[in-house]
Amino acid sequence: AQKITQTQPGMFVQEKEAVTLDCTYDTSDPSYGLFWYKQPSSGEMIFLIYQGSYDQQNATEGRYSLNFQKARKSANLVISASQLGDSAMYFCAMRVAQKLVFGQGTRLTINP
Amino acid sequence: DAGVIQSPRHEVTEMGQEVTLRCKPISGHNSLFWYRQTMMRGLELLIYFNNNVPIDDSGMPEDRFSAKMPNASFSTLKIQPSEPRDSAVYFCASSYSGVYTGELFFGEGSRLTVL
Repeated sequence: AQKITQTQPGMFVQEKEAVTLDCTYDTSDPSYGLFWYKQPSSGEMIFLIYQGSYDQQNATEGRYSLNFQKARKSANLVISASQLGDSAMYFCAMRVAQKLVFGQGTRLTINP
Repeated sequence: DAGVIQSPRHEVTEMGQEVTLRCKPISGHNSLFWYRQTMMRGLELLIYFNNNVPIDDSGMPEDRFSAKMPNASFSTLKIQPSEPRDSAVYFCASSYSGVYTGELFFGEGSRLTVL
């Protein structure tokens, strides 16, 4: 069975600092995808970044990068130079075949 | 391009009433997902369809919940009869699933309150 674990319920970071949000996963399927989504207080789900299980390099999208450590089954999100607008819930998700399951989320608060 | 469209955005109903949530996926997407989000349980996958066929409904809470996808551009999630514990935000999402599966695009959600 697929399982996604986010162990940080909440994080507080100073503006302009980098932040790492933890995510570990478990699956026996060799082919899977890992996603991060952002959910601001307005409620919409915003796709941030994707990493495929066979990708050799870590994914990057602007200020977002995914630290993919396959042997450790971790897929941490790194946000560089955090901004006040980064305050939101962040969800890690794993897709095996067509099924996407989410972790419990981490609430990130950026302090000015 | 229009995104995933859900209706209604907000629904307040009384216990025992039937509730129908609607979703129009992005044109060209062949997979559709229904999720429920609550504070206690987070984001739960209820059911997903591929090419209009239900693939996995193991997340549907009980027989009071049903979902249909009569064609590629429309899906419904029905709760009958509704109960206060069904209060949640219900998200519909779609994606293209092929050799390489893409990310899910979410609708804005339907916030359901059952009194």
